[in-house]
Amino acid sequence: AQTVTQSQPEMSVQEAETVTLSCTYDTSESDYYLFWYKQPPSRQMILVIRQEAYKQQNATENRFSVNFQKAAKSFSLKISDSQLGDAAMYFCAYRSVNTGNQFYFGTGTSLTVIP
Amino acid sequence: DAGITQSPRHKVTETGTPVTLRCHQTENHRYMYWYRQDPGHGLRLIHYSYGVKDTDKGEVSDGYSVSRSKTEDFLLTLESATSSQTSVYFCAISGGFGKRGDTEAFFGQGTRLTVV
Repeated sequence: AQTVTQSQPEMSVQEAETVTLSCTYDTSESDYYLFWYKQPPSRQMILVIRQEAYKQQNATENRFSVNFQKAAKSFSLKISDSQLGDAAMYFCAYRSVNTGNQFYFGTGTSLTVIP
Repeated sequence: DAGITQSPRHKVTETGTPVTLRCHQTENHRYMYWYRQDPGHGLRLIHYSYGVKDTDKGEVSDGYSVSRSKTEDFLLTLESATSSQTSVYFCAISGGFGKRGDTEAFFGQGTRLTVV
């Protein structure tokens, strides 16, 4: 089974600054999808950004961007101009194309935004 | 928002009793998943379904069973609840690998289950 590792249980950032959350994964597949999800205190899981493995270009969604390094199996999330509303738990996720279309999640990074 | 509803939202039950959680979707998505979320473990897959009556086990399936008799409903049953099954349970749905919007998982609001 694929594994997803988030090595930073907690991170903090000053409001308006930039922070990068790390994610690595282990797979033997060549085609897959990667995601970052945000979980605020409301518990709702919200998709932040998506990356297709066959695309070399890094995905961007407004203040959120990723650094996708396929050979290194690394998928980090950069949040620019951090806002108080960005405070949440962030989960990195891998979706297998071949293994039953399962999603595999990391253990999460809790992000605190300091005013 | 994707049309996915979990019920109940909260439940307290006694050890040894059966419990069923329901996930209902209005998106006609093929894939449905049950996860549990525990501190330090992220989301772990319990069972998933890739079609009506087609289900398979995830990494933490012991003590759980599922059923999917209709596209829109995916039931998770704890046959005999134990304290180790106290957790937050999430249902998720997903389409295939076609147009944008199909590849990601959409989540329900979660069910907080406490086994006493």
